[in-house]
Amino acid sequence: KNQVEQSPQSLIILEGKNCTLQCNYTVSPFSNLRWYKQDTGRGPVSLTIMTFSENTKSNGRYTATLDADTKQSSLHITASQLSDSASYICVVRDGTASKLTFGTGTRLQVTL
Amino acid sequence: GAGVSQSPSNKVTEKGKDVELRCDPISGHTALYWYRQRLGQGLEFLIYFQGNSAPDKSGLPSDRFSAERTGESVSTLTIQRTQQEDSAVYLCASSLRREGGSGELFFGEGSRLTVL
Repeated sequence: KNQVEQSPQSLIILEGKNCTLQCNYTVSPFSNLRWYKQDTGRGPVSLTIMTFSENTKSNGRYTATLDADTKQSSLHITASQLSDSASYICVVRDGTASKLTFGTGTRLQVTL
Repeated sequence: GAGVSQSPSNKVTEKGKDVELRCDPISGHTALYWYRQRLGQGLEFLIYFQGNSAPDKSGLPSDRFSAERTGESVSTLTIQRTQQEDSAVYLCASSLRREGGSGELFFGEGSRLTVL
């Protein structure tokens, strides 16, 4: 069964600090992996997509990595801001039926 | 439209009543998804429409739930005889599905359903 597991479940950090969120998946065959940001009371918004051949990709202060061999991805947030407070959801698409498997998300709170 | 539009944004209903939630996808997006998100939980897949193909209903939790979509336009999610456990945010997403496309989902703001 395809599964996506994220850790930690929740995280509190001080403004300006860095953090790394983890995503492990068992989806096979693999097509792509996306990280979404969901602000409270809003719908998720895509931050970045990782395909099989990509190891790292940056979008501003967000950097995603992918290790297709170990089936792990991470999202690193640099110099966190209060506006980074949100849930971060890892979503993996399989390569045959093109189905999506969602992680349960990491809830990040950035405080002063 | 510019984005995915959902209505109503909030709905409070009494147990046993039927509710209808509407989703207006981005123009030209052939794929449409419905998800349920309970408070503090992840997204649960409900149903997926792709063009004129038969929908994937594998996520619908019971026969009280149904959804329709005409062509590539508006979709309606109907919950009959609502139960308190149906209380959640119902999110709709659309995607420009094409061969080899990455399939980014564009989400609406959701419809928050509260069953008293």
